[in-house]
Amino acid sequence: AQKVTQAQTEISVVEKEDVTLDCVYETRDTTYYLFWYKQPPSGELVFLIRRNSFDEQNEISGRYSWNFQKSTSSFNFTITASQVVDSAVYFCALHNTDKLIFGTGTRLQVFP
Amino acid sequence: DTAVSQTPKYLVTQMGNDKSIKCEQNLGHDTMYWYKQDSKKFLKIMFSYNNKELIINETVPNRFSPKSPDKAHLNLHINSLELGDSAVYFCASRQGPPTNEKLFFGSGTQLSVL
Repeated sequence: AQKVTQAQTEISVVEKEDVTLDCVYETRDTTYYLFWYKQPPSGELVFLIRRNSFDEQNEISGRYSWNFQKSTSSFNFTITASQVVDSAVYFCALHNTDKLIFGTGTRLQVFP
Repeated sequence: DTAVSQTPKYLVTQMGNDKSIKCEQNLGHDTMYWYKQDSKKFLKIMFSYNNKELIINETVPNRFSPKSPDKAHLNLHINSLELGDSAVYFCASRQGPPTNEKLFFGSGTQLSVL
């Protein structure tokens, strides 16, 4: 079965703290793609990253970094020096056939 | 210009009514989707169309009928609305093949059934 688990329902941090959002996936495919999307309070869904299963290199984009580990089927997302504007719901997703299967999301609240 | 636009943004209606949500994308994408986000923020695919043809129908009740007049538009008609239909509905599109390209989402339509 294809499945994405985001065990953290809600995380609260104070500005400038680092925070990691966990994502664990299940798939029988040998080739697959993983995604992270951000949903700020305004409601739209914003694409953050796509990673294929052959590329296990960690990726960094500014304050954002992603740690992909096939051995543990995890694709975790870290925000360094968090800011209030990072407050949002973050979704991890797995590509399956022609659709994205989303996790249940992690609500991140960053307090000043 | 908004890449994927859906109207209306908010829709409040009574049980039993019929309503439509429109979606248009100006990205030249071939594939469009409807996703439903419930009150717990869970996002689930409903339909997928590729070049006006239905590709995915995720066991959605027959009261929901998507219509794609051309590949830039995917509208969602809902008949005999029920309380449980209250949710945010997102339209999305993607380039491709391949099918693993990222999705571009609209800003959502919040449907409230009273």
